Amino acid sequence: QVQLVQSEAEMKKPGASVKVSCKASGYTFTSNAMHWVRQAPGQRLEWMGWINAGNGNTQYSQNFQGRVTITRDASASTAYMELSSLRSEDSAVYYCAKDVSVVVSGDYYFDYWGQGTLVTVSS
Amino acid sequence: SSELTQDPAVSVALGQTVRITCQGDSLRSYYASWYQQKPGQAPVVVIYGKNKRPSGIPDRFSGSSSGNTASLTITGAQAEDEADYYCNSRDSSGNRMFGGGTKLTVL
Repeated sequence: QVQLVQSEAEMKKPGASVKVSCKASGYTFTSNAMHWVRQAPGQRLEWMGWINAGNGNTQYSQNFQGRVTITRDASASTAYMELSSLRSEDSAVYYCAKDVSVVVSGDYYFDYWGQGTLVTVSS
Repeated sequence: SSELTQDPAVSVALGQTVRITCQGDSLRSYYASWYQQKPGQAPVVVIYGKNKRPSGIPDRFSGSSSGNTASLTITGAQAEDEADYYCNSRDSSGNRMFGGGTKLTVL
């Protein structure tokens, strides 16, 4: 069965960086892109960006341009999301989500999600 | 525009039908997917593409689309359907976006 297991909660100071991991199992990691989505307490889901796990190409939301870097280690079936210059507003649960994109049928969605990683930014 | 708009809250009587809508320009070109999120849990996809349900999602969940509006309909709402619902779509560049979410209360 497909599983996305994320790293543990992190506490960071303003200005620091955080790197969250997402280890995939149960499918061929390089066959599907991986997205990152975050959710601040009581707030909406917010899409951050994605990585083509096959070739490593990335695309980021303009809201995070310059601060977010998504990478992957295909040999370890793991995707990473690093967010820099942290501020208190970045305190949120960060999720990875497995992509399904079928152009012929127009199906674009996230079929599996990680359990979420709480990142707290506080001085 | 790369935004999706949802009503913040909707309520439905137990066993009745409720429709949750999502509006945005991207929906003229791409289907929405819909996610159910309960407190403290990760989202779960309930509808994607042209009214498709993943395995395990009850058939009381259905989706439709017209113009710039996508809809999620729950026919015969159950107490366990009380949750936040988010729509998601993509733009022509491949960026994804979520609606603001709709809090569904089952009375």
